[in-house]
Amino acid sequence: EAAVTQSPRSKVAVTGGKVTLSCHQTNNHDYMYWYRQDTGHGLRLIHYSYVADSTEKGDIPDGYKASRPSQENFSLILELASLSQTAVYFCASSSGQGGAPLFGEGTRLSVL
Amino acid sequence: QQQVRQSPQSLTVWEGETAILNCSYEDSTFDYFPWYHQFPGESPALLIAIRPVSNKKEDGRFTIFFNKREKKFSLHIADSQPGDSATYFCAASVYNNNAPRFGAGTKLSVKP
Repeated sequence: EAAVTQSPRSKVAVTGGKVTLSCHQTNNHDYMYWYRQDTGHGLRLIHYSYVADSTEKGDIPDGYKASRPSQENFSLILELASLSQTAVYFCASSSGQGGAPLFGEGTRLSVL
Repeated sequence: QQQVRQSPQSLTVWEGETAILNCSYEDSTFDYFPWYHQFPGESPALLIAIRPVSNKKEDGRFTIFFNKREKKFSLHIADSQPGDSATYFCAASVYNNNAPRFGAGTKLSVKP
């Protein structure tokens, strides 16, 4: 069964600390994405990747880094977490032949 | 900038009525338009999608209408049910080169 698994499911971080959100997919998909969801803003694209060892900036990349060490894994890194990065983060994957992304369960991040 | 605009922000209809959710986009290279729904505490899930080789796509009570000239598309939910109450997101992407962009969402409430 197609799946996108995110970890952790929730996290509390301190301002200025480093946070790593992980995503693993078993769909054999080439494309992976990180989105951020805030009330009133929908889903905003942070980073995405078409192939392992390569990442692309989305629409709101500032303050975030991404890493795609393999086809299955895609991480989002907040080097210096800030209050404004409190949000729900979704990872998603899709095939290279079109098709809508399949979303993971989300990670609720609170930065205090 | 917002590449995909969605309206209204919220919509209330009575059970049995048709709910109409609207989206527009700027980038004329977009050629794939999925709609997602999201229930509280869950991740977005694909509902229906269209490629503009046709102007209409139906799936049960859900229909997408597409107007390429005006760069607009809409989701019609016929015979709305209380179980349809959710937040609906439209998105747009280039079919074989993904990175979908999402609208801000419409919160639909269906009253019995």
